[in-house]
Amino acid sequence: AQTVTQSQPEMSVQEAETVTLSCTYDTSENNYYLFWYKQPPSRQMILVIRQEAYKQQNATENRFSVNFQKAAKSFSLKISDSQLGDTAMYFCAFMKHGGRGVGSQGNLIFGKGTKLSVKP
Amino acid sequence: NAGVMQNPRHLVRRRGQEARLRCSPMKGHSHVYWYRQLPEEGLKFMVYLQKENIIDESGMPKERFSAEFPKEGPSILRIQQVVRGDSAAYFCASSPPSDYLYANTQYFGPGTRLTVL
Repeated sequence: AQTVTQSQPEMSVQEAETVTLSCTYDTSENNYYLFWYKQPPSRQMILVIRQEAYKQQNATENRFSVNFQKAAKSFSLKISDSQLGDTAMYFCAFMKHGGRGVGSQGNLIFGKGTKLSVKP
Repeated sequence: NAGVMQNPRHLVRRRGQEARLRCSPMKGHSHVYWYRQLPEEGLKFMVYLQKENIIDESGMPKERFSAEFPKEGPSILRIQQVVRGDSAAYFCASSPPSDYLYANTQYFGPGTRLTVL
């Protein structure tokens, strides 16, 4: 069974600084997807970034980037130029590739989350 | 393009009553997932449905819980004879058909907060 571990229950960062959130996972699969979602106080789950395991290039989305180390089964999220609106719970999630069609369909396995506070 | 819709946003039930949670996927999405989030926890998968079919219900409790995604209308998560331990946030997510490039990506609704008194 796959597991996702986020070892930092809480973190804080000063506005405009850079912060890195850690995530490790355990799987015997070779093809899979990894995601970071954020959950602000509104409780809405918002997709931040996604990574296909077969791609060696790290995904980036504006101020958000990942460091994907497949051999180490590590998937950290870096937030640059932190903003007050980045304050939220951040969840790392894993999905195995179903092997059918172009994409795959299956359930997400979430870590317990990291509570990030951005301080002015 | 409207996102995933869930209603009600808040639902209060007394022990023994039934709870019905509704989810309308994003336009064009044919896959629906239900997750439960307990306080201070991550989301836990419950069930995955396509139109008129349950694909994976491995995370669903065996008793009192059921889900459907009919040909017409929203997906329904039904909890019969609710107990205090059912109090949680229930999230629905949807994803595009399998032949889409990003079919693997799930987009979440705002959730339904169920409180059992």
